[in-house]
Amino acid sequence: DTGVSQDPRHKITKRGQNVTFRCDPISEHNRLYWYRQTLGQGPEFLTYFQNEAQLEKSRLLSDRFSAERPKGSFSTLEIQRTEQGDSAMYLCASSREGLQPQHFGDGTRLSIL
Amino acid sequence: GESVGLHLPTLSVQEGDNSIINCAYSNSASDYFIWYKQESGKGPQFIIDIRSNMDKRQGQRVTVLLNKTVKHLSLQIAATQPGDSAVYFCAEMDAWNTNAGKSTFGDGTTLTVKP
Repeated sequence: DTGVSQDPRHKITKRGQNVTFRCDPISEHNRLYWYRQTLGQGPEFLTYFQNEAQLEKSRLLSDRFSAERPKGSFSTLEIQRTEQGDSAMYLCASSREGLQPQHFGDGTRLSIL
Repeated sequence: GESVGLHLPTLSVQEGDNSIINCAYSNSASDYFIWYKQESGKGPQFIIDIRSNMDKRQGQRVTVLLNKTVKHLSLQIAATQPGDSAVYFCAEMDAWNTNAGKSTFGDGTTLTVKP
């Protein structure tokens, strides 16, 4: 069990640029989740996958956000035309199916200049 | 809308004392609850969980209590240590919701342990 890994750990970009983050879940976990966390707040759910199927998306996930998990293993989260309000920590988690705790990576911190 | 909330944003305790962190939830359909610990610069780390058919569960130095009548959840940490200093979140899941999988988090309690 090597844990959930996220890349990059930090991303600084100019407003209007596109960014892509990667998440590698724990290998035997078929569920993968993306959350966003701002300072002082709890993680906010964005979307989740069961295997390669994206089963739920939050209203927070605007058209500029897209997530994929093409082979049911790693996932990418892309933000197009970034805005100041996108600055946050983006967390990925994975779990087994059912009532199971989620295991989080250490996140990608996005800063928009 | 439904939310999971914490009673106190901060808690300061003396090393060696017991800590109690509280959480109130409003979704009566929630049937699985989890406590996470988050240290600075890291992702949330699973501590302990409890299902709605239980009212108490114990781990190593931690106990979670669930009171479904008043929709209240608490985390008790025995003999609190400096390494316990972190932000603690409760989260809930509704397993009967179609395609259920997401967790809803509260805003966290910052625990500070004084030596």
